[in-house]
Amino acid sequence: NAGVTQTPKFQVLKTGQSMTLQCAQDMNHNSMYWYRQDPGMGLRLIYYSASEGTTDKGEVPNGYNVSRLNKREFSLRLESAAPSQTSVYFCASTVTSNQPQHFGDGTRLSIL
Amino acid sequence: AQSVTQLGSHVSVSEGALVLLRCNYSSSVPPYLFWYVQYPNQGLQLLLKYTSAATLVKGINGFEAEFKKSETSFHLTKPSAHMSDAAEYFCAVSSGYSTLTFGKGTMLLVSP
Repeated sequence: NAGVTQTPKFQVLKTGQSMTLQCAQDMNHNSMYWYRQDPGMGLRLIYYSASEGTTDKGEVPNGYNVSRLNKREFSLRLESAAPSQTSVYFCASTVTSNQPQHFGDGTRLSIL
Repeated sequence: AQSVTQLGSHVSVSEGALVLLRCNYSSSVPPYLFWYVQYPNQGLQLLLKYTSAATLVKGINGFEAEFKKSETSFHLTKPSAHMSDAAEYFCAVSSGYSTLTFGKGTMLLVSP
């Protein structure tokens, strides 16, 4: 009963390094999402994939890229990490937009 | 466009007291509304959802919320707070497209 699995759980990077955050869901959901959570800001959508083969920008896409590898997997890439990208990143998935999203446990990313 | 406003970044109650967390939304179409709870170092868990059926929605852990179209509100309540209710609560709205918009969150503090 895994649900949404994110790896890694913690990561420390240096400015300018690159990294890919992985997300996989086993619920046969169509849509997947990447959010970042910062204190006092709630959750802000970075990118989403409404269905396999499509990706779209959210509210804060700058500095990130995504890949919907297949129906199960949706990865988030930081090409050149910046301290402003220090955050907690959450992946979520859902069947359709009128149904609840299911969240992973998050990746805590620090960029020095 | 859709948006969510949660009044009060922090709410403090005594154990056994009424919990009231406020959420107002804007949406150009009939909305789907959700409340999520986040415990420390965890992802978001669904508390309850409104999807145009009954206006009073019951969720887990004794929480409920009432959809009031005239007030564009979806406030979360619980008759008697427990220490275990201490967490951050997020209201979210979907207008039926692919994305959710979250409020900035309300931290509920419960004192003995």
